Amino acid sequence: AQKITQTQPGMFVQEKEAVTLDCTYDTSDPSYGLFWYKQPSSGEMIFLIYQGSYDQQNATEGRYSLNFQKARKSANLVISASQLGDSAMYFCAMRDSNTGNQFYFGTGTSLTVIP
Amino acid sequence: DSGVTQTPKHLITATGQRVTLRCSPRSGDLSVYWYQQSLDQGLQFLIQYYNGEERAKGNILERFSAQQFPDLHSELNLSSLELGDSALYFCASSVEAQGISSPLHFGNGTRLTVT
Repeated sequence: AQKITQTQPGMFVQEKEAVTLDCTYDTSDPSYGLFWYKQPSSGEMIFLIYQGSYDQQNATEGRYSLNFQKARKSANLVISASQLGDSAMYFCAMRDSNTGNQFYFGTGTSLTVIP
Repeated sequence: DSGVTQTPKHLITATGQRVTLRCSPRSGDLSVYWYQQSLDQGLQFLIQYYNGEERAKGNILERFSAQQFPDLHSELNLSSLELGDSALYFCASSVEAQGISSPLHFGNGTRLTVT
């Protein structure tokens, strides 16, 4: 079974608008971590934001925030005030202690910011 | 800058050849992960080392091998190369001490082209 599902292969957003990238996960472990990474066309993988399963509040890092809905097992990334430099692939990932803290990555969402 | 150094950045070689990819993790990170990213396969986990010992194995071919040295740098050896091995190979490191909350920090990758 897929541990991480990203159902949006491609997304478009107007510059300065907000956009939500979807991520759902599957684990039976009550203790897990969720991560988002950005991969621009230059290829590097950039760590953006982390959310722990026991965190009471949604994580935020600058213009990035995580809409964490535990009961629905979703961890959507919200990018506010989109910029042209936000155009990239975005990967959701999870690690849980059930599987020896291994990482599981989704297939990614390609975001294009339109001027 | 993630602090993870990968060399070389680009590698072009012929089928049947052998190459070595090198990775220096972030200072203080004991764990090194290797991933392969090709266009049609997404991000594939190959292998993980922790403090010199193999910790987990993913979809690593028998033609591929890796090791982590006492100074914690790691090498990924790819032999009998085939056209299908052309991909972006990432090294990532993690401190692991924080358990599931430890993110992966990726190097810039080595782009391997097999001709």
